[in-house]
Amino acid sequence: GAVVSQHPSRVICKSGTSVKIECRSLDFQATTMFWYRQFPKKSLMLMATSNEGSKATYEQGVEKDKFLINHASLTLSTLTVTSAHPEDSSFYICSGRGQTGGGETQYFGPGTRLLVL
Amino acid sequence: GENVEQHPSTLSVQEGDSAVIKCTYSDSASNYFPWYKQELGKRPQLIIDIRSNVGEKKDQRIAVTLNKTAKHFSLHITETQPEDSAVYFCAAGDSGYSTLTFGKGTMLLVSP
Repeated sequence: GAVVSQHPSRVICKSGTSVKIECRSLDFQATTMFWYRQFPKKSLMLMATSNEGSKATYEQGVEKDKFLINHASLTLSTLTVTSAHPEDSSFYICSGRGQTGGGETQYFGPGTRLLVL
Repeated sequence: GENVEQHPSTLSVQEGDSAVIKCTYSDSASNYFPWYKQELGKRPQLIIDIRSNVGEKKDQRIAVTLNKTAKHFSLHITETQPEDSAVYFCAAGDSGYSTLTFGKGTMLLVSP
């Protein structure tokens, strides 16, 4: 399957700082990338959908000014958590939409575990 | 929007038994149904998917069935092994699909 990388894998930061998470599709071009948040033992919660070169579409309840998403190229999308607070601590996972033999599907990055102190 | 229900939330089986996880969806426009396996602290991995033009798909010990009329699809794992232990998520999306809607997950535990 297609490969999606994510960096960093884990980050600890102080409250009030900003954190940038990078998501890269390594062997395919992802015209669409998705950002998810996952709480322990919970399902994947879609935060936003980003299409290359255009503004991201945020899900209801997700603050676009707090979670800045940039999808500047077909292989790179970034999520910046601005002015992070302890309640932002979570597992953030990106995915890219790519082509398989049978059609398009989604491939996930390894996730970034964020801890805000 | 789409709503995906997944059952059971936890499933314990003995090694060698079969496991079945069921999902229902609400949006008749959905026609793509992937299943993901997520081990603790790791990324969800696509294990099998099915599109609405077929009713069943099999890959070794894993199979997925789809009933479009009833709007439900199921994952079947035969001859389970301890390494099958993980959380399994079903999802549903439309043909183009702009987004996938995920079920809440099933924690499968296979005991030796």
